[in-house]
Amino acid sequence: AQSVTQLDSHVSVSEGTPVLLRCNYSSSYSPSLFWYVQHPNKGLQLLLKYTSAATLVKGINGFEAEFKKSETSFHLTKPSAHMSDAAEYFCVGKSGGSNYKLTFGKGTLLTVNP
Amino acid sequence: DTEVTQTPKHLVMGMTNKKSLKCEQHMGHRAMYWYKQKAKKPPELMFVYSYEKLSINESVPSRFSPECPNSSLLNLHLHALQPEDSALYLCASSQDGGAGGWETQYFGPGTRLLVL
Repeated sequence: AQSVTQLDSHVSVSEGTPVLLRCNYSSSYSPSLFWYVQHPNKGLQLLLKYTSAATLVKGINGFEAEFKKSETSFHLTKPSAHMSDAAEYFCVGKSGGSNYKLTFGKGTLLTVNP
Repeated sequence: DTEVTQTPKHLVMGMTNKKSLKCEQHMGHRAMYWYKQKAKKPPELMFVYSYEKLSINESVPSRFSPECPNSSLLNLHLHALQPEDSALYLCASSQDGGAGGWETQYFGPGTRLLVL
């Protein structure tokens, strides 16, 4: 079965500095991986997804993630944080054998300080 | 357009009330989902409909009753809920076109439910 681990429950950065949100996965086969963002009292918005076509995936709002099979990681980065990036971020994988079931990480709360 | 809409945005109900949550999508998706999300936790899957048939029920109590009247609409009927059922209820949809793991689920904004 696939599992997803977000290594930090809370990350705090200053506006204009880089963002790194870490995610490791475990899977016995090529995984499907996604990053979603959830702003307070809102639904989940897809930032990007790994489709095996390219290891570096570009998403919306300047975010990107790199799939590293050797490190079983799928870390999310952004060169320069904006105040509007403050939100909860979920690294998500697809459970083995199911087209429907997602495996969610526990989430990382990103705080952006002025 | 990748929009999933949900109504109402907020709902307060007593433990003896009957209410319904509504979800709608016009992306032609054939899989629709209900999730429950407690504060500071990831969403938990409740139900999945595939081609308007219930495909997955994650052992959800019978006080939650899903319904999929057509391919665009998904309801969640609520009856005799408990205070611990207070949560954000999220609807999602995906294409269900056989692409399996690569399909993306698109989420609605959620209904914030408070059970008194």
